Amino acid sequence: DQQVKQNSPSLSVQEGRISILNCDYTNSMFDYFLWYKKYPAEGPTFLISISSIKDKNEDGRFTVFLNKSAKHLSLHIVPSQPGDSAVYFCATTNFGNEKLTFGTGTRLTIIP
Amino acid sequence: DGGITQSPKYLFRKEGQNVTLSCEQNLNHDAMYWYRQDPGQGLRLIYYSQIVNDFQKGDIAEGYSVSREKKESFPLTVTSAQKNPTAFYLCASSRPGSTSGGNEKLFFGSGTQLSVL
Repeated sequence: DQQVKQNSPSLSVQEGRISILNCDYTNSMFDYFLWYKKYPAEGPTFLISISSIKDKNEDGRFTVFLNKSAKHLSLHIVPSQPGDSAVYFCATTNFGNEKLTFGTGTRLTIIP
Repeated sequence: DGGITQSPKYLFRKEGQNVTLSCEQNLNHDAMYWYRQDPGQGLRLIYYSQIVNDFQKGDIAEGYSVSREKKESFPLTVTSAQKNPTAFYLCASSRPGSTSGGNEKLFFGSGTQLSVL
């Protein structure tokens, strides 16, 4: 049973526009959420995270929003750039638990 | 430069053969992990180790074995019992307590693509 779901396998966005990637989770015990970015044939790299005590965290062009009541997480990228084309994974865990549960990933393509 | 090194980049397994994937880190991290990536299924945890000489099964440990004799090394053996071994394998490590610091949890290697001949 998939505890973390990314329902859009792929997304195409025009360069300069906003990219919005979504993630839903089922376990209300999860209290720490992360986004990773992955290029083909490479390992994922950490992008941004948020704890459950916040509903928004911003880092440059990247903003993560958390809606705990809806068990929904989203990543906004503004403005989108060609180098943002990659697969994005959301991941989650509890504080003190080193194990991450990953979503299935969304392939983002930025169109020049 | 500190990091995680996985080798080989590509590996082929014959039927009935055991193969071992290497993972070495010089980040002085205590915890190490093995994940498997299949298309459309995200990353699934195979085994993890939080300290030398100790390791635990993840969600899909059947057909795999690991050892953790040194802090720097966490090799994964794909045994002949693993009937569907073709996948992209990722090794990762993390600092103890990194879950509460608000920093990135896992550092990943560049992966090994395993295919069956």
